[in-house]
Amino acid sequence: GAVVSQHPSRVICKSGTSVKIECRSLDFQATTMFWYRQFPKQSLMLMATSNEGSKATYEQGVEKDKFLINHASLTLSTLTVTSAHPEDSSFYICSARVSSNEKLFFGSGTQLSVL
Amino acid sequence: GESVGLHLPTLSVQEGDNSIINCAYSNSASDYFIWYKQESGKGPQFIIDIRSNMDKRQGQRVTVLLNKTVKHLSLQIAATQPGDSAVYFCAENSQAGTALIFGKGTTLSVSS
Repeated sequence: GAVVSQHPSRVICKSGTSVKIECRSLDFQATTMFWYRQFPKQSLMLMATSNEGSKATYEQGVEKDKFLINHASLTLSTLTVTSAHPEDSSFYICSARVSSNEKLFFGSGTQLSVL
Repeated sequence: GESVGLHLPTLSVQEGDNSIINCAYSNSASDYFIWYKQESGKGPQFIIDIRSNMDKRQGQRVTVLLNKTVKHLSLQIAATQPGDSAVYFCAENSQAGTALIFGKGTTLSVSS
């Protein structure tokens, strides 16, 4: 199956700092990537759809100025949590779809802890 | 609100038993469904998928059943093993190219 690489796997930062998370499709090109957030013992919640070469589409309630998404190439999307606060602490997961297939492949996730 | 949900939050079985995990969805327009397995601290792992023009699909030790009449999806795991312990999510898609919507998840605990 297709491989999606995500890093870092874990990051601890101070409140007010920004954190960048990278998501790469290793063996396929992904025109669309999706970013999810997952709180403990809860399901995955879609944050935004990242489109290569254009602006991301954010879900209702997700602040686009706080969660900056860049999808500059067909194999890389980044999520930057700006001015992170403790309530942003969560498990962030990216996913990508091989264009001809509806199956989503997921990265290994990034556990963000904001102190 | 969520369009996909689960009947049971936890399921405990003995090793070797068959497991059945259920999922209800509310969007009648959904035409593609997937089951994912998620281990602690990891991303979801694809298990099996099914399209709405089918009512059953089998994989290795797993079977997915789809009942469109009552909008119900189930995952059957044969001869459950301790390595099957994880959280299982069903997910749906109603429009090609859009994101999957996930259900709440069922925690499967397998004891030996």
